[in-house]
Amino acid sequence: SQTIHQWPATLVQPVGSPLSLECTVEGTSNPNLYWYRQAAGRGLQLLFYSVGIGQISSEVPQNLSASRPQDRQFILSSKKLLLSDSGFYLCAWSSGLAEYEQFFGPGTRLTVL
Amino acid sequence: LAKTTQPISMDSYEGQEVNITCSHNNIATNDYITWYQQFPSQGPRFIIQGYKTKVTNEVASLFIPADRKSSTLSLPRVSLSDTAVYYCLVGDFLYGNNRLAFGKGNQVVVIP
Repeated sequence: SQTIHQWPATLVQPVGSPLSLECTVEGTSNPNLYWYRQAAGRGLQLLFYSVGIGQISSEVPQNLSASRPQDRQFILSSKKLLLSDSGFYLCAWSSGLAEYEQFFGPGTRLTVL
Repeated sequence: LAKTTQPISMDSYEGQEVNITCSHNNIATNDYITWYQQFPSQGPRFIIQGYKTKVTNEVASLFIPADRKSSTLSLPRVSLSDTAVYYCLVGDFLYGNNRLAFGKGNQVVVIP
């Protein structure tokens, strides 16, 4: 069966510090991968998605970036965090044949102080 | 992606059937209707998807009228654990158009 992992589960970072969140998927090959952010009281916002190694599409301009160094690894990064980067970050995967059904990881709660 | 409109919140009593509505007046011919459920501090979970008429699985039923401008997610005999945010999404979801647009969803609270 497929599983998706995210770490860390919670993170408190000062403004201006770097960020690296990692997501890995097991039990499937060549998944589509996604990063979402959910700010307090708001819906999920798609940040990035990837259909293959090295292929990243950005949905919104921001100080975040994503990379996919391996087939089942997706990394979200920032060089300098802003207060507005606080939120709940979720990684998800889907197969290329059923993209409407996305499977989400446990999430990372990021607080920028 | 077609825009959806959902009530912000609703309450229901435990053991009752809950019907959650969604409006999508500008749905396109190739669009499907998908519903997700999200518990606090967790990622959303796929519930059901349909194109027209009625779709049923072990969790819920989805009713879509002939004009497809709305849909209703029906949860039979809800329990307290069904308290969650329910998202209605509409989109083509074919290869290369894989962006799910989650709105704020509908907060459903099940009351004892």
